[in-house]
Amino acid sequence: KNQVEQSPQSLIILEGKNCTLQCNYTVSPFSNLRWYKQDTGRGPVSLTIMTFSENTKSNGRYTATLDADTKQSSLHITASQLSDSASYICVVSGRQAGTALIFGKGTTLSVSS
Amino acid sequence: EPEVTQTPSHQVTQMGQEVILRCVPISNHLYFYWYRQILGQKVEFLVSFYNNEISEKSEIFDDQFSVERPDGSNFTLKIRSTKLEDSAMYFCASWTGDDEKLFFGSGTQLSVL
Repeated sequence: KNQVEQSPQSLIILEGKNCTLQCNYTVSPFSNLRWYKQDTGRGPVSLTIMTFSENTKSNGRYTATLDADTKQSSLHITASQLSDSASYICVVSGRQAGTALIFGKGTTLSVSS
Repeated sequence: EPEVTQTPSHQVTQMGQEVILRCVPISNHLYFYWYRQILGQKVEFLVSFYNNEISEKSEIFDDQFSVERPDGSNFTLKIRSTKLEDSAMYFCASWTGDDEKLFFGSGTQLSVL
C-alpha cells in the first residue's frame, strides 16, 4: 500500500535553532517527492521538489535530502524563525504531478522565542 | 507569484443542502484538482480535471460530487446533498503540465450543520 509516514508528529524548538523533519515512503513507482509548508487555515505551499536522481535541494533556509534507495527524505530548517511555525507535509508522487500525490500527515513545527 | 483563488473562504450549510465551491486556477494552467482535508487529518485527493473532463477521481468523489469548468476561468466543485462528514477544508490546485510545481489555493472551509 502506498504510504507516506512523517516524524516527529510535532516539534517545538527555540528561535534560531536548527531542526530536521523525517519522511519515509513506500510509494511505488516513484516519480518525485515534495515538501510543502502549510500555515494554519491556508493551502500548502511548495518548498522543494526532488526527482529520483536528486539527492538534495535547497530553498533558502530549507534543505531537503532524498535517498531513493532507502525511500527516506528529510527537511532541514536552518536558523529557525517564528514564521517557520507551520505544518510541514511530505508528498510523494508516483506519476507526474496531481493525481497520484500521496500526502503524509505532516509535522507540526512550533518555533518559540 | 501567481495564485489560485478560492471563494468563499468559509461556507456554512445545512445538511442536505447543495453547495458550490469556486476556484479560479492560474490562467495558463491546464490541469485542475480538488483536494480536501478533514480537521486533523491528511490532505486527500478528490478529482483531477483536464481538457474539460475528469481524468481521475478517488473513492471519496461519489455521485454527490461534480466538477465543472463553466467558462475559461472558473473551476467549481458541487456537492449536491451535503452530509455532516463533508465538513472539511477543500483545496483547489492547478498545474501547467510542463513542470512539477502544483499550486494550491487557500481553501474553502466547509461546515455542514
